[in-house]
Amino acid sequence: QVPLVQSGAEVKRPGSSVKVSCKASRDTFTNSAISWVRQAPGQGLEWLGGIIPIFPVVNYAQKFQGRVTITADKSTTTAYLELDSLKFEDTAVYYCARDVGYCKNDNCHTKGDFEVWGQGTLVTVSS
Amino acid sequence: DIQMTQSPSSLSASVGDRVTITCRASQSISTSVNWYQQRPGKAPILVIYAASSLQSGVPPRFSGSGSGTDFTLSISGLQPEDFGTYFCQQSYSSPPTFGPGTTVDV
Repeated sequence: QVPLVQSGAEVKRPGSSVKVSCKASRDTFTNSAISWVRQAPGQGLEWLGGIIPIFPVVNYAQKFQGRVTITADKSTTTAYLELDSLKFEDTAVYYCARDVGYCKNDNCHTKGDFEVWGQGTLVTVSS
Repeated sequence: DIQMTQSPSSLSASVGDRVTITCRASQSISTSVNWYQQRPGKAPILVIYAASSLQSGVPPRFSGSGSGTDFTLSISGLQPEDFGTYFCQQSYSSPPTFGPGTTVDV
C-alpha cells in the first residue's frame, strides 16, 4: 500500500485558490502527523505547515499564515492543503509528508521529521 | 528561523568513492538533523534521521554524524543509484528548515 497519494496537477490564475489532497493510511492518521512542503522549480524545500489529524492541531509557517489552510478528514483519511491569493511565485511542486506529532505542556506540534513523502502535486500559477 | 547551509553545492565523484557533505546550522540544534536524497523529478527520501540513525531500508554505506551546529553525511562506496541532490534539514525548532542542497554527479 502506497503510504501517501496526492491529487493531480493544477493550473490556476493569479489571485485564485488551489486545494491539494493527500490520501493517507488509517495508521498514519491515527499515529502520525502530516506536513506540507513545497519546492519551486530548481529551488530548495520550504515547509508550509502541518496537522495532527487525531486532535486536530494545525501549525503554520509564519510566512504563509493567513493564506494557507490545512485540514484533515478522518472519515476518508485525507489531508488537504488550500492556498489562497495565488501568485506567480507559488508555482511549485507541493508535497505532503508523514511527520511526527508531539505534545508538551498541553501544546501539540508537528515536529518536522518527514519519514515518508507523497509523489508531489505540481501547481502552476499562470495568466 | 534557523538557517541551514551546506557545502559543497555540487560535486562529481566516481563509483566506489567516499563522498562527504557538510551541513551547518545557524545555532545549536543538538542532533535534530535529517538528511534526504532527491533524484530528479522524484520526491525526497529520508536517509538519515537524528543526525546519525539510518532510516529503515537505506543501505549501510550511508552514515551521518555531528551535533550542535556541524553535521556530515557520508556515502562510502558510491553507487550509480546514489546520484541526486542531498538536503539537510533541522527539526529542532519550528519552522523546520532545509539546507540549499548538494548535487552529487556520479
